[in-house]
Amino acid sequence: DAGVIQSPRHEVTEMGQEVTLRCKPISGHDYLFWYRQTMMRGLELLIYFNNNVPIDDSGMPEDRFSAKMPNASFSTLKIQPSEPRDSAVYFCASSSAGNYGYTFGSGTRLTVV
Amino acid sequence: KNEVEQSPQNLTAQEGEFITINCSYSVGISALHWLQQHPGGGIVSLFMLSSGKKKHGRLIATINIQEKHSSLHITASHPRDSAVYICAVGQGAQKLVFGQGTRLTINP
Repeated sequence: DAGVIQSPRHEVTEMGQEVTLRCKPISGHDYLFWYRQTMMRGLELLIYFNNNVPIDDSGMPEDRFSAKMPNASFSTLKIQPSEPRDSAVYFCASSSAGNYGYTFGSGTRLTVV
Repeated sequence: KNEVEQSPQNLTAQEGEFITINCSYSVGISALHWLQQHPGGGIVSLFMLSSGKKKHGRLIATINIQEKHSSLHITASHPRDSAVYICAVGQGAQKLVFGQGTRLTINP
């Protein structure tokens, strides 16, 4: 398995633009997580899905952020409109029920200028 | 007070030294994870523990459920071990709560 695949690896965009981050979890994993890492706040959970259904989105900062998981092999995190304070590394991770083992993607480094 | 506390926050040692990083947590957990992140790099899962002790190469992780405490040990440390080590606890349906990380630097 190629692991959790995220794209793009780096994204630089102008304030106000829409940004879409993508994630392909490990096949067979039924949990998918989106985390954000910043110097000030460390790693924070944004949202997670179980069997493609959003379970907890309490970490999503505001309405500018949205996440979808249309099927078991794909998820997106969208920011519209983006702001400089959204600059961070966004990690996707997946795991399976009863196993608790975690696999992280390589992350997307987002810079909003 | 954070739910997951790590110590020390920064640690510098010489190559070959025995390293210990500590993690205390205040919530009920289903599992505890030790993660490694190299500068500018991704996050790698080193261990997942729910009890006892695990060993992988020069790395050893222990957990004491009663005391809500875990330690990560590195024997015969090497400069390539330089990284940030993150303790995270899994709650309920596996979402993780993270410690602030320990930045380890091993000098040759």
